Amino acid sequence: NAGVTQTPKFQVLKTGQSMTLQCAQDMNHNSMYWYRQDPGMGLRLIYYSASEGTTDKGEVPNGYNVSRLNKREFSLRLESAAPSQTSVYFCASSEGTYLHFGNGTRLTVT
Amino acid sequence: AQRVTQPEKLLSVFKGAPVELKCNYSYSGSPELFWYVQYSRQRLQLLLRHISRESIKGFTADLNKGETSFHLKKPFAQEEDSAMYYCALDYGNNRLAFGKGNQVVVIP
Repeated sequence: NAGVTQTPKFQVLKTGQSMTLQCAQDMNHNSMYWYRQDPGMGLRLIYYSASEGTTDKGEVPNGYNVSRLNKREFSLRLESAAPSQTSVYFCASSEGTYLHFGNGTRLTVT
Repeated sequence: AQRVTQPEKLLSVFKGAPVELKCNYSYSGSPELFWYVQYSRQRLQLLLRHISRESIKGFTADLNKGETSFHLKKPFAQEEDSAMYYCALDYGNNRLAFGKGNQVVVIP
């Protein structure tokens, strides 16, 4: 049982480049989330999807877009990467009272 | 708006000593609180939640609504407790507001 799987694990981008972070869960959860983790800031919610076909903004959505492709997959897209988006990105899913997290994607924007 | 505060960034304790990680929150609704832990090279995982009122790995946490606190405690620290600990508040639809985290280092 893989749980929540994120790809890639590491990525380096140049300013202005675009990329999509992939996330998939095999637990049949309805809700999925994208967080970013920055030193001294904890985790902050970027976007979430309460169910297939719906997405909503979190605390820090600017510069990001998301797609809930189906119940399993929830992708995060950076259209024009900026150095301020250098971070570790975590995907999570839930069905009930707590979140299951992926291993994270470490993104560096130069 | 919801807010979670964890005042200490780094906490170093000797093995066998008590550990207490402080967490305070502000939230206008009925609070649901959690502690998550991230061990080295592992994913973030749930440690405990106030609703279940259970002890996990010797850790306990009591929700004090009067003091708006949810401090995490363990009477005798072990080396395997070295990790990053996050207090989190559910503010609806399982959206979590996290504190900034505490790095715990247990000295042998």
